[in-house]
Amino acid sequence: QKEVEQDPGPLSVPEGAIVSLNCTYSNSAFQYFMWYRQYSRKGPELLMYTYSSGNKEDGRFTAQVDKSSKYISLFIRDSQPSDSATYLCAMRGDSNYQLIWGAGTKLIIKP
Amino acid sequence: DAGVTQSPTHLIKTRGQQVTLRCSPISGHKSVSWYQQVLGQGPQFIFQYYEKEERGRGNFPDRFSARQFPNYSSELNVNALLLGDSALYLCASSYSPGGPEQYFGPGTRLTVT
Repeated sequence: QKEVEQDPGPLSVPEGAIVSLNCTYSNSAFQYFMWYRQYSRKGPELLMYTYSSGNKEDGRFTAQVDKSSKYISLFIRDSQPSDSATYLCAMRGDSNYQLIWGAGTKLIIKP
Repeated sequence: DAGVTQSPTHLIKTRGQQVTLRCSPISGHKSVSWYQQVLGQGPQFIFQYYEKEERGRGNFPDRFSARQFPNYSSELNVNALLLGDSALYLCASSYSPGGPEQYFGPGTRLTVT
């Protein structure tokens, strides 16, 4: 079993919809939770990160961490076709700086 | 400001050959990490360097090695290439090893035939 599980999709939604992307994990030592966006044949781009539990909002993006359930989410409001990409979650502990990644979810926003 | 740069963009090698990939971090960033990303999977951590010293190593064979130079740029070397080494090799930079904000370059796509 992988340390970080992420549904590979694809997830297809109409433009303007609210998108929910999720990851589950097994290592309770994880404290930093990141979301990256990766366009085809490009490097990942950091969207936002959260430390420990709670919510964080940045524009149309909201990240949530529920450490009791070992479950993290990324919500995208008012989705746009330009949001079509693969979304990767990544996480690590306080003292172990090695990032552990999910496989990525391919998101398609239909105009 | 320039982001993380990597060279070359694409590379084709045959089995058994050796390859060197290069990375220049964002100005002011002192830590560089290398990742391997196979198609359809998330990146896998290979190495982290800070101030020219190795700070972390992932589960990769000794055929993989790296180094960091005084200007904080880095090289990743892979010897005795196997078909399974075909992947996108990503370099990420951060100000410090523990800095949660890692910024990635565009990657080097390596194809081993």
